[in-house]
Amino acid sequence: GQSLEQPSEVTAVEGTIVQINCTYQTSGFYGLSWYQQHDGGAPTFLSYNGLDGLEETGRFSSFLSRSDSYGYLLLQELQMKDSASYFCALMDSNYQLIWGAGTKLIIKP
Amino acid sequence: SQTIHQWPATLVQPVGSPLSLECTVEGTSNPNLYWYRQAAGRGLQLLFYSVGIGQISSEVPQNLSASRPQDRQFILSSKKLLLSDSGFYLCAWSVSGTSYEQYFGPGTRLTVT
Repeated sequence: GQSLEQPSEVTAVEGTIVQINCTYQTSGFYGLSWYQQHDGGAPTFLSYNGLDGLEETGRFSSFLSRSDSYGYLLLQELQMKDSASYFCALMDSNYQLIWGAGTKLIIKP
Repeated sequence: SQTIHQWPATLVQPVGSPLSLECTVEGTSNPNLYWYRQAAGRGLQLLFYSVGIGQISSEVPQNLSASRPQDRQFILSSKKLLLSDSGFYLCAWSVSGTSYEQYFGPGTRLTVT
């Protein structure tokens, strides 16, 4: 089967940088997506890595290493509004998303 | 621009009662459609997905069913709710071929009592 592991909670200071890691086990997949979900809200798409390497979108970057079965989301210049849960999700061989349990990001002033 | 509607926002239903949740998408044609359930503090579990009218794939055996009577309408149903059906139900759509980028409705918080 397939599984993804993320830390349940990460704490960071406003204005700094934080990295949220995602390790996975899978027999085959097409890529790794990242989503943000604020409390009580719906997930919103942040980034997708179909290839190894770094993808940058504004203050957010995402990285994938297939050889290490590992990816991460990097958030720079943290703002209080970035307080949310972040999910990694594998696009499997059936083109469906398999979701991690999510990482709650707590930002302190 | 594309918009996804989902209703109701909250629902409290007794065990054994029926369920019908509706989702509609505007501004796109032939989208892939998805129903997810999210337990508190957990990731999303894919329940059903559809690549076209009348085409429904189920990911897990359960007390629920789905239908797609129109291109941009997706309905989640149950004949008799169980306590374990409680959760946050999310409808999503994606462009065919880009399921890694999904767009979600606001969700329905279902409590079965």
